[in-house]
Amino acid sequence: DAGVIQSPRHEVTEMGQEVTLRCKPISGHDYLFWYRQTMMRGLELLIYFNNNVPIDDSGMPEDRFSAKMPNASFSTLKIQPSEPRDSAVYFCASSSSGLAGGYEQYFGPGTRLTVT
Amino acid sequence: DAKTTQPTSMDCAEGRAANLPCNHSTISGNEYVYWYRQIHSQGPQYIIHGLKNNETNEMASLIITEDRKSSTLILPHATLRDTAVYYCIVGPHSGNTPLVFGKGTRLSVIA
Repeated sequence: DAGVIQSPRHEVTEMGQEVTLRCKPISGHDYLFWYRQTMMRGLELLIYFNNNVPIDDSGMPEDRFSAKMPNASFSTLKIQPSEPRDSAVYFCASSSSGLAGGYEQYFGPGTRLTVT
Repeated sequence: DAKTTQPTSMDCAEGRAANLPCNHSTISGNEYVYWYRQIHSQGPQYIIHGLKNNETNEMASLIITEDRKSSTLILPHATLRDTAVYYCIVGPHSGNTPLVFGKGTRLSVIA
């Protein structure tokens, strides 16, 4: 398996522009997580899905952030409008409930977002 | 908030064992101890987890104290590629709940 795939790997945009980050989870995984990492706040959860349904979005910082999972193999995180303080590395992770419950989250390589 | 306390940084000589401590004094009976690491510019990577028994896999060993209030991750023969931030996390036995990351321990393996 190719692992969790994220695109783009790097994104530079100007303040006010719309940004869309993409994630393809590992095939067969039914949980998908979006995390954000900054120097100041470390790694923090934004939102997670189970079977394409959002379970907890309390970590989404503002209404400017939205996430969707239209099917089991694709999720997007959108920021509109973007602001310089959104600059961070955004990670997508997936996991499987499976018969044994599972214990490992598999992380993608991240998208480094810079908003100027 | 993270339920664990780890030293901010540690150094280890290449080829020696790296012992990374973690305090989790408020761990509950059904919570596991997980270790992840993050090599620079990469996503976090699972290392090992345990409940109360010591665990070993191809990457590391996990030693949990009898009262479960602390644990130690052991990398038996550290290499330069083990330089990373190591996160100790407590949580249920499931990869399906969000991980709460603390600041972790920055391990530097020195040649």
